Amino acid sequence: DIVMTQTPLSSPVALGQPASISCRSSQTLLHSDGNTYLSWLQQRPGQPPRLLIYNVSNRFSGVPDRFSGSGAGTEFTLKISRVEAEDVGVYYCTQATQFPHTFGQGTKLEIK
Amino acid sequence: QIQLVQSGSEVKKPGASVKVSCKASGYMFTTYGINWVRQAPGQGLEWMGRISASSGDTHYAQKLQDRVNMTTDRSTSTVYMELRSLRSDDTAVYYCARGRLRYPFDYWGQGTLVTVSS
Repeated sequence: DIVMTQTPLSSPVALGQPASISCRSSQTLLHSDGNTYLSWLQQRPGQPPRLLIYNVSNRFSGVPDRFSGSGAGTEFTLKISRVEAEDVGVYYCTQATQFPHTFGQGTKLEIK
Repeated sequence: QIQLVQSGSEVKKPGASVKVSCKASGYMFTTYGINWVRQAPGQGLEWMGRISASSGDTHYAQKLQDRVNMTTDRSTSTVYMELRSLRSDDTAVYYCARGRLRYPFDYWGQGTLVTVSS
């Protein structure tokens, strides 16, 4: 199974400041079809997860442009350009390059 | 709009089975699959498996494959997840999530709490 490792596990950030979360996979997520199936999910308190980013850097419908994703191979990053109060929650990276789909442990974003 | 509506909370005894439903609407049911993901209290996300709504083909997580069964009812656009031989560590919120094979989690159900307790 591909192991997904996120850092940090907790991130206190002041409102209006940037935030960054890293995700590393134990194997390359580059699929033989040329795509990299790495996504980012946001889970607000008491809510189901929500898709933010797919294929490393594509924002899903309705996701604000302050969220961006980057990376390749085994190293990926989610960035929030200016944190807002509604961004509080847990962020997960997940891979669909290979079965079983696997998730990172989650990074808790808090307001400082 | 696209919606996945799950069945209500369940309380089960160890050794029993639970069957959770996920009713889809707002899109062509057979053009997407449904994944099941669970989240134990205070913990992260665990992928359980996926079923194709068109073919019924399944992929299960190895640790659950002896106890889980996913089925579809195309007449009602509903997917079912049955988990047998329940244990206390199966206590979790169970989510269904729509997606294609390599884009698995674009819309999510509201979650179903399953509590396993004697």
